[in-house]
Amino acid sequence: DTEVTQTPKHLVMGMTNKKSLKCEQHMGHRAMYWYKQKAKKPPELMFVYSYEKLSINESVPSRFSPECPNSSLLNLHLHALQPEDSALYLCASGQNQPQHFGDGTRLSIL
Amino acid sequence: GENVEQHPSTLSVQEGDSAVIKCTYSDSASNYFPWYKQELGKGPQLIIDIRSNVGEKKDQRIAVTLNKTAKHFSLHITETQPEDSAVYFCAARDYKLSFGAGTTVTVRA
Repeated sequence: DTEVTQTPKHLVMGMTNKKSLKCEQHMGHRAMYWYKQKAKKPPELMFVYSYEKLSINESVPSRFSPECPNSSLLNLHLHALQPEDSALYLCASGQNQPQHFGDGTRLSIL
Repeated sequence: GENVEQHPSTLSVQEGDSAVIKCTYSDSASNYFPWYKQELGKGPQLIIDIRSNVGEKKDQRIAVTLNKTAKHFSLHITETQPEDSAVYFCAARDYKLSFGAGTTVTVRA
């Protein structure tokens, strides 16, 4: 069983929709991460939160908006996405580096 | 930024044989080198890691070696089993983790 829980597991949305991805961990980790993974590729870092503050934004387009409401929760708000944004979105947590990954949200943009 | 190269891209081994995956990195400031295993439909799982002040680390059937001078590190899996079949990623960290392209390992029964 994964210790990082991501919901939903699958999401299909149109380019004009607004949706949110959610991630939860209860291991007391101080850092939480969002990654994007395309098929047969390694994960690509999007955002890092440390102590609930955004510490790294890897030049991600503004149609992706992260939020960290508390030390256990991480959200990724999506708006006006493009077909090329279809991918597996992974959340991870750790003390200083990503130690535990969730199983991801499979996102499809129509 | 850090650039990590990983070889081979695919590896097929007979059950019980050993598997070796090699990675090189470019930034001498990188100080942390984890390995992840990703099974189909799952997120990456950290299986072993090594820090720059250590040359070798072993955990049951898996081991990692690091050569800082040559800037390369390797994953060794002994006595492979069908459940070892997965995609394996190496990574190196300077200010963030940079991943290798991945190795698809298939263990033939």
